[in-house]
Amino acid sequence: SQTIHQWPATLVQPVGSPLSLECTVEGTSNPNLYWYRQAAGRGLQLLFYSVGIGQISSEVPQNLSASRPQDRQFILSSKKLLLSDSGFYLCAWSPAGASGVNHEQYFGPGTRLTVT
Amino acid sequence: AQSVAQPEDQVNVAEGNPLTVKCTYSVSGNPYLFWYVQYPNRGLQFLLKYITGDNLVKGSYGFEAEFNKSQTSFHLKKPSALVSDSALYFCAVRDENNFNKFYFGSGTKLNVKP
Repeated sequence: SQTIHQWPATLVQPVGSPLSLECTVEGTSNPNLYWYRQAAGRGLQLLFYSVGIGQISSEVPQNLSASRPQDRQFILSSKKLLLSDSGFYLCAWSPAGASGVNHEQYFGPGTRLTVT
Repeated sequence: AQSVAQPEDQVNVAEGNPLTVKCTYSVSGNPYLFWYVQYPNRGLQFLLKYITGDNLVKGSYGFEAEFNKSQTSFHLKKPSALVSDSALYFCAVRDENNFNKFYFGSGTKLNVKP
């Protein structure tokens, strides 16, 4: 079966510091990968998605970036954090290609980021 | 552009009573619709989906949803609510022009009181 991991679970970082959040998926190959941010425990904002290694689509211009160095690894980064970057970051995956059209997304446990 | 709307920020229901969490959608073609549940400080868990076929879809934990094309709705229902059902519920639709993307509603907080 497939599993998705995120770490760290919680993170407290000062303004201006760098960020690196990691997401890995097990038990599948060539998944679509996603980063979402959830502010104040409500709506989800799609930040980035990737359909393959090195292929990143950015949905919202901001000081965050994403990378996919391996097939099942997705990293969210920032060079300098802002207070507004605080939130709950969720990674998700879904099957790719024609066979994946009918499939839902599967979410990781999330990372709570507090920028102080 | 496609979208989903959850018109209620919060729904309150007594334990044992039926519950409904509303969702309406806007797509030009055939919708791919999903419901998720989120418990505090956790990731989203998939409940059920409508792709095609029967308008009444059954999912996890006794939840079901009714797809209504004429009303462009996909309401989540459960015949008898449990206190443990209290959580945040999200409706989502797949982008019909880019199947790699999903659009989520703003979420509805369900409170089930004993």
